[in-house]
Amino acid sequence: EIVMTQSPATLSVSPGQRVTLSCRASQSVSSNLVWYQQKPGQAPRLLIYDASTRASGIPARFSGSGSGTEFTLTISSLQSEDFAVYYCQQYKNWWTFGQGTKVEIK
Amino acid sequence: QVQLVESGGGVVQPGRSLRLSCAASGFTFSSYAIHWVRQAPGEGLEWVAVISYDGSVTYYSDSVKGRFTISRDISKNTLYLQMNSLRAEDTALYYCARVRVMGNHPGAFDIWGQGTMVTVSS
Repeated sequence: EIVMTQSPATLSVSPGQRVTLSCRASQSVSSNLVWYQQKPGQAPRLLIYDASTRASGIPARFSGSGSGTEFTLTISSLQSEDFAVYYCQQYKNWWTFGQGTKVEIK
Repeated sequence: QVQLVESGGGVVQPGRSLRLSCAASGFTFSSYAIHWVRQAPGEGLEWVAVISYDGSVTYYSDSVKGRFTISRDISKNTLYLQMNSLRAEDTALYYCARVRVMGNHPGAFDIWGQGTMVTVSS
């Protein structure tokens, strides 16, 4: 099983700040990497697929990068509606999620 | 609009069974693979099972293999998850989720239901 490890577990940030979330795979997943956003009481929302392609309707402040085992989700200027938990997921070999990074208000 | 709506959750005793449903609308149900993903209270996301667009192929996580069965009824645009021999550790919110690309592409999940809660407790 491919293990996905996200860091940090929690990130305390102020609105307007640039945010970088990391996701590491235990073995190469090529570009078969997805990012989701989940707010309390809501289902996950697809943000980025194929490591760097924004899903339909996702604002340009969200960007993804990386390949192989190291991936990054960047939010260029954090908005109030971006405070949430972010999960990465690989679909190279079965499907596994990271444990999530919570982005909270500083 | 495109949506998935889960139902069938509830409180059940350990060792008993439950069947979840996921009703699809707004898209060609028979063209997409669909997954079940669960989330224990306060925890992260865990992949459970997938069924191919035509129902011919299914895969399960090791934690549910042999106890859960995923199926789909194309005539009813509905996905099912038959859960047998339930355990306390199966307690979670169960989501169905559609793969973004038609066919058997193993890609991202673009449409999610709102989830249905399953509580396994005596």
